[in-house]
Amino acid sequence: GDSVTQMEGPVTLSEEAFLTINCTYTATGYPSLFWYVQYPGEGLQLLLKATKADDKGSNKGFEATYRKETTSFHLEKGSVQVSDSAVYFCALTGRDYKLSFGAGTTVTVRA
Amino acid sequence: DSGVTQTPKHLITATGQRVTLRCSPRSGDLSVYWYQQSLDQGLQFLIQYYNGEERAKGNILERFSAQQFPDLHSELNLSSLELGDSALYFCASSVGSPANEKLFFGSGTQLSVL
Repeated sequence: GDSVTQMEGPVTLSEEAFLTINCTYTATGYPSLFWYVQYPGEGLQLLLKATKADDKGSNKGFEATYRKETTSFHLEKGSVQVSDSAVYFCALTGRDYKLSFGAGTTVTVRA
Repeated sequence: DSGVTQTPKHLITATGQRVTLRCSPRSGDLSVYWYQQSLDQGLQFLIQYYNGEERAKGNILERFSAQQFPDLHSELNLSSLELGDSALYFCASSVGSPANEKLFFGSGTQLSVL
C-alpha cells in the first residue's frame, strides 16, 4: 500500500540554523503530499501541502517541493526559531482515500 | 482551536473494560477520521466515515468499532481493552474525502489502560 518514510529524529538545532527533514513516498498513481506539525500537547495541524508534481507548498517559512522523479517531499526552513520545536509528520493520500503518516520527526530548537 | 471537539480528554480504565470516545467534527465537515498515536506504532489510521458511511479502513482491531451518527458526530468504541491499547486517540474532520484536503485534528483523548 501507499506509505511514507521520513528521517528519524530527534533533531536538535540552534536558533537560526537550517532545517531539513527528508521524506520519501511509495504510492501508485499521483498522491497528494502533506506536512503536518504537532506542537506539545496539541493535535496535528496542516503545515503545507502539494497536490501535483513540481508543486511547492509553503507556510510559516517552511517549504517542500513535490518531486516525482525522486518520490520525495523534503521539508526545509532556512532559519528556525525556538517556537518551531515540534513533531513533524510527512503524509500522503492516494487513491484509497487514506491519509497515511510517516513516523514523525521530533525537532528541538535551542536558543 | 481546530473546531474539532473530542471528549473525554483523559480516560483511565482497566483491562477487559469497554470505553467510548466521542468526536464532534467542525461545523460543515462531513468526514470524520480516527487515528491512534503511540510511541511504538506512531500515528496509525484507524477508520474514516463520510456522511454516516464507512469510507476507508486502516489498522483497526476487531475489538474496536466506530460509527458516525446523523448529526455527524462520531464515536469510537474500544472493548476488551488491553494494556497495549493505551495511546492517544485523535479524531479529525474534513469537508469531503481526504485526497487533497486539509484535515482538522482535535486535541485527542489520552487512554490509559491499567
